[in-house]
Amino acid sequence: DSGVTQTPKHLITATGQRVTLRCSPRSGDLSVYWYQQSLDQGLQFLIQYYNGEERAKGNILERFSAQQFPDLHSELNLSSLELGDSALYFCASSQDRDADTQYFGPGTRLTVL
Amino acid sequence: AQSVAQPEDQVNVAEGNPLTVKCTYSVSGNPYLFWYVQYPNRGLQFLLKYITGDNLVKGSYGFEAEFNKSQTSFHLKKPSALVSDSALYFCAVRSPRSNTDKLIFGTGTRLQVFP
Repeated sequence: DSGVTQTPKHLITATGQRVTLRCSPRSGDLSVYWYQQSLDQGLQFLIQYYNGEERAKGNILERFSAQQFPDLHSELNLSSLELGDSALYFCASSQDRDADTQYFGPGTRLTVL
Repeated sequence: AQSVAQPEDQVNVAEGNPLTVKCTYSVSGNPYLFWYVQYPNRGLQFLLKYITGDNLVKGSYGFEAEFNKSQTSFHLKKPSALVSDSALYFCAVRSPRSNTDKLIFGTGTRLQVFP
């Protein structure tokens, strides 16, 4: 168990809908990262937050947004969902010192029908 | 641009035999290198990392990896494979010169250990 928790574990929804994925980092970790794992794109970095502020953006669609709250948990919001958004979404956290290991949560499997 | 290559989609090995999962990288400056393992329906578990120092890094579950700067490689090894090692293995890289902390992942190598 990495200490990173994600909810829900599974999510099934329809095209056009909006969903929210939640992540709680390991105790003491200030950085939260979101990654998407899909069959065709592999593991792709979406976005990073550090202590409530956005630090870096990757291949994140405009329909997607995220935030990190004062208690350091993070939410990833996916809207106007398309079939191609079906994927496994991982959250990771680190203490944000140089070369820190990122520890991954169990992921949320999103299925868009 | 940073990149990671895992040239083998799948590696098959008999239980008790040594295993190697290959990884090569391209990054500016000295890299930070990582190996993660993913079991079915599970998240990624950290195995080991190379930051600096000894080129041979030891990690969890008896795995080790050797950093080779001249060949830009970071192959994962284990002297004696177990059936329970069967999983998907990812190599990842981060450049200290990058303005982000994101990990760049390889495409993954599926390790199958046969009894």
